[in-house]
Amino acid sequence: GQQVMQIPQYQHVQEGEDFTTYCNSSTTLSNIQWYKQRPGGHPVFLIQLVKSGEVKKQKRLTFQFGEAKKNSSLHITATQTTDVGTYFCAGEGMRGFKTIFGAGTRLFVKA
Amino acid sequence: DAGVTQSPTHLIKTRGQHVTLRCSPISGHKSVSWYQQVLGQGPQFIFQYYEKEERGRGNFPDRFSARQFPNYSSELNVNALLLGDSALYLCASKGPYEQYFGPGTRLTVT
Repeated sequence: GQQVMQIPQYQHVQEGEDFTTYCNSSTTLSNIQWYKQRPGGHPVFLIQLVKSGEVKKQKRLTFQFGEAKKNSSLHITATQTTDVGTYFCAGEGMRGFKTIFGAGTRLFVKA
Repeated sequence: DAGVTQSPTHLIKTRGQHVTLRCSPISGHKSVSWYQQVLGQGPQFIFQYYEKEERGRGNFPDRFSARQFPNYSSELNVNALLLGDSALYLCASKGPYEQYFGPGTRLTVT
């Protein structure tokens, strides 16, 4: 069945450094979503990418969807302590209405 | 996130019991999805409903069932609870370009 792998599992950065998390699907996706979850909270929707090769920016966050629609990345420029949390990608398959989440990348930012 | 409500917030049940969790989506959203999140893991897809019809089902046993009502609210039912069902149950309200999660119901099975 469809699987979504996400790396790295953890990332420790110094405030001001950049951060990237990568997501790979075993099957072609119709779309991919990114979420942020703080400890004790629920996933907060960040963005949905639909088009092959799509790149979208939200302030210091850059999201990419691969040409084959099987991989994606989230890049944060100049991290801040407010960026701490776990970032999840979630892919919806081409065949049905099933959204599969990656295991997440937990980001720690040291001031 | 923007208006998805879930009840109850917390729940403690005993093994073998049954539980019903409720969700109200964002106004205008006709699709609701349910997820189970165990501590330290990503949300696991359980069901998606659209216009009262089941559109997708994850790899969960038949003890898990759900339904969606004419006002698009939804219920998740879990029968014969097991210790392993202890988790955060999340409801998501889905639109064409976004999916917003509610705060979740924390279920503890003892």
